[in-house]
Amino acid sequence: DTEVTQTPKHLVMGMTNKKSLKCEQHMGHRAMYWYKQKAKKPPELMFVYSYEKLSINESVPSRFSPECPNSSLLNLHLHALQPEDSALYLCASSQTRPGTEAFFGQGTRLTVV
Amino acid sequence: AQSVTQPDIHITVSEGASLELRCNYSYGATPYLFWYVQSPGQGLQLLLKYFSGDTLVQGIKGFEAEFKRSQSSFNLRKPSVHWSDAAEYFCAVPTGANNLFFGTGTRLTVIP
Repeated sequence: DTEVTQTPKHLVMGMTNKKSLKCEQHMGHRAMYWYKQKAKKPPELMFVYSYEKLSINESVPSRFSPECPNSSLLNLHLHALQPEDSALYLCASSQTRPGTEAFFGQGTRLTVV
Repeated sequence: AQSVTQPDIHITVSEGASLELRCNYSYGATPYLFWYVQSPGQGLQLLLKYFSGDTLVQGIKGFEAEFKRSQSSFNLRKPSVHWSDAAEYFCAVPTGANNLFFGTGTRLTVIP
């Protein structure tokens, strides 16, 4: 199984809503990532978890709150988002050994209205 | 810091023609390098990767890439393009651990 599964595939939320994005992998990877991708742009790193601990936060606003409840799951909690936060949110996982490839999910297309 | 640049924003090729997508890296030591492909609205799929050793790397879907230290390049090639290859292609390099820095991408259009 080389899949990273993200739910939901699409999400529309208001600026006062609270929602969560979910990501799951069963490859035994101990590093998991959230990336944000705006239209016609490359993915940009948001957060990195290594062994279920947050190791990198790329100065992401606090309205985005990541959580790694166990080695297979990664969540991104969303609250009080702005329309400019609308984007494709990609989850990825990899082994922690340097230079190993990351496996990406299909993404969640988020629209903030 | 490690980075990659992709000079071509958009390339159009005819089906059956050969393809070369350019990627230049900036890093002192021998880098790890990746090529990913993204179809519209989809996630990213790894095409191939370079770690060390043989400078010509074979990937999936008939793609290959050649690492050239003298030119700081890692160009992606395919001898005969199929219509299904139309997509966005990203070159990437790990920064820190395995989190990736992506180039700006090259959009490939395939005409019949």
